[in-house]
Amino acid sequence: DIQITQSPSSLSASVGDRVTITCRASQVIGNELAWYQQKPGRAPKRLIYAASSLQSGVPSRFSGSGSGTEFTLTISSLQPEDSATYYCLQHHDYPPLTFGGGTKVEIK
Amino acid sequence: QVQLVQSGAEVKKPGASVKVSCKASGYTFTTYDINWVRLATGQGLEWVGWMNPKSGHTGSAQKFQGRVTMTRDTSISTAYMELGSLRSEDTAIYYCARVVGPIDFWGQGTLVTVSS
Repeated sequence: DIQITQSPSSLSASVGDRVTITCRASQVIGNELAWYQQKPGRAPKRLIYAASSLQSGVPSRFSGSGSGTEFTLTISSLQPEDSATYYCLQHHDYPPLTFGGGTKVEIK
Repeated sequence: QVQLVQSGAEVKKPGASVKVSCKASGYTFTTYDINWVRLATGQGLEWVGWMNPKSGHTGSAQKFQGRVTMTRDTSISTAYMELGSLRSEDTAIYYCARVVGPIDFWGQGTLVTVSS
């Protein structure tokens, strides 16, 4: 099975900062990676699919890039409502689905 | 609009089983796979297993094999996940999710608490 390594596991940044989260796959997965935001008590929400396509209704400060084995989620200007845990998900060899370990983003 | 509505919270004793339901609406139930994912306190999202609602074919992560059963009733567009031989480490929120490529829609989650 494909393994996904997500980093960092947590970060603290100020409003307006640029934030970057990375996922690395143990083998090539093309662009078959999505990013999700999860807030406490809520189901995850899809932000990005196909590595770089922005989900409808998601603010444009969120962007995804990468292909092959290395992928990045960027928040260009961090907002207070972006405090959440973020996960990447690969579906290249579905089934199974494989999640990254998650990144908890806190606002300073 | 697509909705996945799950059954309510459950409290079970160690060794018991739990069955969670997931009712789909807003699309043709048999078109897309339903997957189950869980979130335990202090942990990340963990994939449990999948089901093809049209064929009934299922599969699960290795750690759940032999303990999890996924079924469906197409007449009421509902998927079920039953987890047996429960232990305290199974305490988590269980989500059903529709898979179209990656997951696009999630249920609201069902809290399963395992406690003696």
